[in-house]
Amino acid sequence: GDSVTQMEGPVTLSEEAFLTINCTYTATGYPSLFWYVQYPGEGLQLLLKATKADDKGSNKGFEATYRKETTSFHLEKGSVQVSDSAVYFCALRVGTGTASKLTFGTGTRLQVTL
Amino acid sequence: DAGVTQSPTHLIKTRGQQVTLRCSPKSGHDTVSWYQQALGQGPQFIFQYYEEEERQRGNFPDRFSGHQFPNYSSELNVNALLLGDSALYLCASSLAGRRDTEAFFGQGTRLTVV
Repeated sequence: GDSVTQMEGPVTLSEEAFLTINCTYTATGYPSLFWYVQYPGEGLQLLLKATKADDKGSNKGFEATYRKETTSFHLEKGSVQVSDSAVYFCALRVGTGTASKLTFGTGTRLQVTL
Repeated sequence: DAGVTQSPTHLIKTRGQQVTLRCSPKSGHDTVSWYQQALGQGPQFIFQYYEEEERQRGNFPDRFSGHQFPNYSSELNVNALLLGDSALYLCASSLAGRRDTEAFFGQGTRLTVV
């Protein structure tokens, strides 16, 4: 079946540090890949996505590249801020339309300190 | 434009009781999916509704059931509640048939079973 593996957290960084959160996947078909962010007490917000190999998703300074050869979709940001503190989820979706559930990783908590 | 709205936001139930959670999708969306997020875990897919029918189901027992109404809103019902059903229940809406469709999540319903 489909699965997503994320690096364990929590990840603690100082403000302006470089961030990498690793994500690898196993999929039965050709997936679309996503990063979602969850702030305390809130639901999930889509951060970025990529739908085919070598696509780079980007948003708010975060980037991730769809690497089919290594089945990876690592999240990076060059300079984190305290406001980036949240839980980050890597997810995949195979198929479209009515049979297109999201499969999530377990999440990585990021804490950014001054 | 209202996003995905869920009600109630918090709920406390006793073991063995039944509960109904409600979701209104984002305007223009026709597909609703439900997820269970246990504390410290990633969301797990429960089921998806499209055209008032359950289209796909995750690995959840029959105690979990749902419904979609003609206006695309949806309900999640859980019977014979167990302590292990305590979780954040997330509703996501999307538009069927598009590979690049984005799932929008509500803020969730926090269910506590005592």
